[in-house]
Amino acid sequence: QVQLVQSGSELKKPGASVKVSCKASGYTFTSYAMNWVRQAPGQGLEWMGWINTNTGNPTYAQGFTGRFVFSLDTSVSTAYLQISSLKAEDTAVYYCARDRTTGTDFDYWGQGTLVTVSS
Amino acid sequence: QSALTQPASVSGSPGQSITISCTGTSSDVGGYNYVSWYQQHPGKAPKLMIYDVSNRPSGVSNRFSGSKSGNTASLTISGLQAEDEADYYCSSYTSSSRVVFGGGTKLTVL
Repeated sequence: QVQLVQSGSELKKPGASVKVSCKASGYTFTSYAMNWVRQAPGQGLEWMGWINTNTGNPTYAQGFTGRFVFSLDTSVSTAYLQISSLKAEDTAVYYCARDRTTGTDFDYWGQGTLVTVSS
Repeated sequence: QSALTQPASVSGSPGQSITISCTGTSSDVGGYNYVSWYQQHPGKAPKLMIYDVSNRPSGVSNRFSGSKSGNTASLTISGLQAEDEADYYCSSYTSSSRVVFGGGTKLTVL
């Protein structure tokens, strides 16, 4: 069965970096694009962008350029989200989510990774 | 890209039907048949309930249905059950940034 398993919660200080992993299983990793979605505490979902798992080419949504980097390691079917120069407002749950087919909706989601930024 | 507009909350009694609206523009909801709906229980990941306006993924109850008219999409839940109590989010393809979500609607089953 399809599963996306994310790395555990992180507590970071402002200015630090964090790397969240999303390990896929149960399907051919390179056949479906991967998306990243942010949910701040008590807030709604925010699409951060996606990465083409065939080419490794990332696309970032407005507001997620510069400090956010999507990457892959196809040898272990894993997608990564790295955030640098962390700020308190980056505190959120970050989800990876697989494209269903057309890139307009997401059929499988990771369990989420809470990143807390606090001094 | 502004979020799609959803009511903050809706409520209904068990057995009743409720509808959640999702309003966008001609650049997103109105321009494409790529509206999706997600259900999110507290502390859980979102779950895809409807895609391409009105299609249900395998395993989703047929009590959930979707539709669209102009720039507004709707999710209807019939025969409301206690387990339907959750947050619901719409999303749409958008010409400017590929995907945009709605602000979310909290459904309370009375």
